[in-house]
Amino acid sequence: EAGVTQSPTHLIKTRGQQATLRCSPISGHTSVYWYQQALGLGLQFLLWYDEGEERNRGNFPPRFSGRQFPNYSSELNVNALELEDSALYLCASSPAGGGNQPQHFGDGTRLSIL
Amino acid sequence: GENVEQHPSTLSVQEGDSAVIKCTYSDSASNYFPWYKQELGKGPQLIIDIRSNVGEKKDQRIAVTLNKTAKHFSLHITETQPEDSAVYFCAASIGNYGQNFVFGPGTRLSVLP
Repeated sequence: EAGVTQSPTHLIKTRGQQATLRCSPISGHTSVYWYQQALGLGLQFLLWYDEGEERNRGNFPPRFSGRQFPNYSSELNVNALELEDSALYLCASSPAGGGNQPQHFGDGTRLSIL
Repeated sequence: GENVEQHPSTLSVQEGDSAVIKCTYSDSASNYFPWYKQELGKGPQLIIDIRSNVGEKKDQRIAVTLNKTAKHFSLHITETQPEDSAVYFCAASIGNYGQNFVFGPGTRLSVLP
């Protein structure tokens, strides 16, 4: 069974640009979660999508947005990039059927802002 | 909101010794507690989890204990090996149906040969 896949692996942008990160969940999983992990820090929850809808978002500005497609894949968009947006962005997926289920992570996209 | 604390932040042990990482949480409604291992350049990998109706769970060299009254849970690794070296994160579920997690800040474990 293929795991969660994320693309691209690395992304280099300059301040003010826009970035798009992509995630394909494990087959059969309907929920997708996005996290930001700044260097040496823990995981900060960004967004949760389920069945194509945004269900919850963390304490991040509106320039962080995303969507989930009918095939349950997802993309994260970050507009007006700032230097502090440099981080590893992790995507996770979990099965349908409610909460209290493990989230399975991809290996992330390393976003670097110059 | 939920807050998860994790100690210690760094831990060094000799190969073959045991390692213990402890987490506390604040929301008494939390009822699912996964542990993740993150190796350099990789995403977090689920290694063990425990639900609130269980006090202890074991999987080979790894065990997790949960004390709901005290709101703390711990990861125990026995007979540590160099490949156990990584950053370990605990998490607690939040939300009406536990769909989201709050993660602890992580513990960097180094197993010295």
